[in-house]
Amino acid sequence: DSGVTQTPKHLITATGQRVTLRCSPRSGDLSVYWYQQSLDQGLQFLIQYYNGEERAKGNILERFSAQQFPDLHSELNLSSLELGDSALYFCASSETTSGGGRTDTQYFGPGTRLTVL
Amino acid sequence: AQTVTQSQPEMSVQEAETVTLSCTYDTSESNYYLFWYKQPPSRQMILVIRQEAYKQQNATENRFSVNFQKAAKSFSLKISDSQLGDTAMYFCAFRTGTASKLTFGTGTRLQVTL
Repeated sequence: DSGVTQTPKHLITATGQRVTLRCSPRSGDLSVYWYQQSLDQGLQFLIQYYNGEERAKGNILERFSAQQFPDLHSELNLSSLELGDSALYFCASSETTSGGGRTDTQYFGPGTRLTVL
Repeated sequence: AQTVTQSQPEMSVQEAETVTLSCTYDTSESNYYLFWYKQPPSRQMILVIRQEAYKQQNATENRFSVNFQKAAKSFSLKISDSQLGDTAMYFCAFRTGTASKLTFGTGTRLQVTL
């Protein structure tokens, strides 16, 4: 158990709908990362937050957005869902954001499996 | 842009044997970090081992060790005394010293057999 929690574990929804995925980082971790794992794209970085502020953006679609709250939990919002959005969405957390040392090692949550029908 | 290549889609090893998984990467950065993550059938991503590019000594974690060849941009994972619980997808990952995002390879599926 990494200490990172994600809810829900599974989500089944229809095209055009909107969903919210939730992540609670490990105790003491300030940085949260979101990754998407799909069969055709592999594991891809979506976005990172550090202490409530957006720090880095990757291959995140405009239909997707995220935020990190004062209690450091994060939510990933996916809207106007398409069949191709079906994937495993991981949240990871680290104590710091970069700069070396083991405090920037990312620990992953169990993931949320999203199925869009 | 950084790329990570894992050229072995699937590998098989017998229990108690040793297996080596390959990973190469491409970067112009001098300061970076390399990782191996394991993803068992449960789909959980588990950190196996980490290597700092500035360290010449190869990292080891119990039965897991790496062969880090900086000039060749190679970062292989050796699993000794393989166990059935080692059956999983193994991903090689890279990040620079300044950026936080991890760039992953496509993974190697390892099957440990009796």
